[in-house]
Amino acid sequence: ILNVEQSPQSLHVQEGDSTNFTCSFPSSNFYALHWYRWETAKSPEALFVMTLNGDEKKKGRISATLNTKEGYSYLYIKGSQPEDSATYLCAFISYYNQGGKLIFGQGTELSVKP
Amino acid sequence: KAGVTQTPRYLIKTRGQQVTLSCSPISGHRSVSWYQQTPGQGLQFLFEYFSETQRNKGNFPGRFSGRQFSNSRSEMNVSTLELGDSALYLCASSLESAYQETQYFGPGTRLLVL
Repeated sequence: ILNVEQSPQSLHVQEGDSTNFTCSFPSSNFYALHWYRWETAKSPEALFVMTLNGDEKKKGRISATLNTKEGYSYLYIKGSQPEDSATYLCAFISYYNQGGKLIFGQGTELSVKP
Repeated sequence: KAGVTQTPRYLIKTRGQQVTLSCSPISGHRSVSWYQQTPGQGLQFLFEYFSETQRNKGNFPGRFSGRQFSNSRSEMNVSTLELGDSALYLCASSLESAYQETQYFGPGTRLLVL
């Protein structure tokens, strides 16, 4: 059974704080990892698609790193703003000879107070 | 460019009935995926369609099925509804692959089974 774990489950920070969370996944049969931001009452929004070991992506104040050998990815938010408040989800994709499996973590709920 | 659209947005059904949900992807996108979100299980992958063929499938019973038309629009069907099927159903589209590319999510259909 493939398991994707995210930590922490929730995080409360002050505006301006930098924060990071973790997505842990099985290190074998890695194909890709997605990060999403999901704000309440909206649809999930894709942040990054990561495919290579050592891959690092950046989008404004948000960046992500990937370590496929040890099975984790970090998402960093620099200088958190109230509009960053959302649930951050990772989705691990493994690929077997018959097709792919896409598995989501339970998410990290981020709350940024002004 | 118009985003992903889903119809209907809300639906109430009773146990034993069947339901069909519809998803229109972004113009030019050929991959459509379906997801189920419940409080207990989080976001789970149902299946992905590409060029009218189911390409990948999650761990759901056969009561869950789908299809894709030549214009890439997709439908998802759930037969013999159970109480546990109450959920938010999301579809997402991407150009060619749900796994290697950015996915764009629709607003979802909220299904309540009584």
